[in-house]
Amino acid sequence: DIQMTQSPSSLSASVGDRVTITCQASQDSRKSLNWYQQKPGKAPNLLIYDASNLQTGVPSRFSGSGSGTDFTFTISSLQPEDIATYYCQQYENLPYTFGQGTKLEIK
Amino acid sequence: QVQLQESGPGLVRPSETLSLTCTVSGGSISSHYWTWIRQPPGKGLEWIGYIYYSGSTNYNPSLKSRLTISVDTSKNRFSLRLSSVTAADTAVYYCARGGSWLDPWGLGTLVTVSS
Repeated sequence: DIQMTQSPSSLSASVGDRVTITCQASQDSRKSLNWYQQKPGKAPNLLIYDASNLQTGVPSRFSGSGSGTDFTFTISSLQPEDIATYYCQQYENLPYTFGQGTKLEIK
Repeated sequence: QVQLQESGPGLVRPSETLSLTCTVSGGSISSHYWTWIRQPPGKGLEWIGYIYYSGSTNYNPSLKSRLTISVDTSKNRFSLRLSSVTAADTAVYYCARGGSWLDPWGLGTLVTVSS
C-alpha cells in the first residue's frame, strides 16, 4: 500500500494567514492526488483533484501542487469558515489511501 | 444535483453481518464508479472499496475476505455487506460517487458493533 504522510498533524493560524499543508507519498503517485475538507460532524468535501485542479464551486483561495511523492495544499488567505480537518488521498495504486489528516484551527 | 443517502442498522452484534445501502437521487447510477469509505470515531478515513455500475469491484485487501459490494441499477442504489464484524468495524460509513476522486459524499451513518 502507498502510505500518505501529512504534515503538520495540527495547525493554528490567524485569519488572513497563508496556510500550507504537505503530503508525502511512500511511492511515486504521479499527480494522482486529491485534497478533501472535513468540517466537524460533516462528510468530507472534495477541494482539489489530480493534485492541482480546483473542483467546481470551490473558492480560489484553495490550491494544490506537486507530483511524484511530494504534494502541497495551500490556503492563500485563511477564512473563519476554513476551520476543518484536511485529508490528502492517493489513487495511483489500489488500495487507495488517505493521509492521517491535518486539523486546522483559528489562532 | 446528485445526492447520496446511506441507510441501515446503527447497531450490529459482534460476529454478525453489517449491511448498508446507498441510495442515489438526482442522477443515474449508470456510467459511474461508487465508493464506500469509513471513519472510526475520532480517527481518519479508510477506503473500503468501489463498484462500477456494471458490477465490477475493487476491495481493500484488509477487508476483502469479509466484504461484498453490489449494485442495483433498477433501484439506483448500491450496497455494502461486511461479515464477521468486531468492535474494530465501528465507524461512520460514507458512500460517495467516483472511483478516483470522490464527489459528492453521503452524510454518513454511524454503525456501532456491540453486544
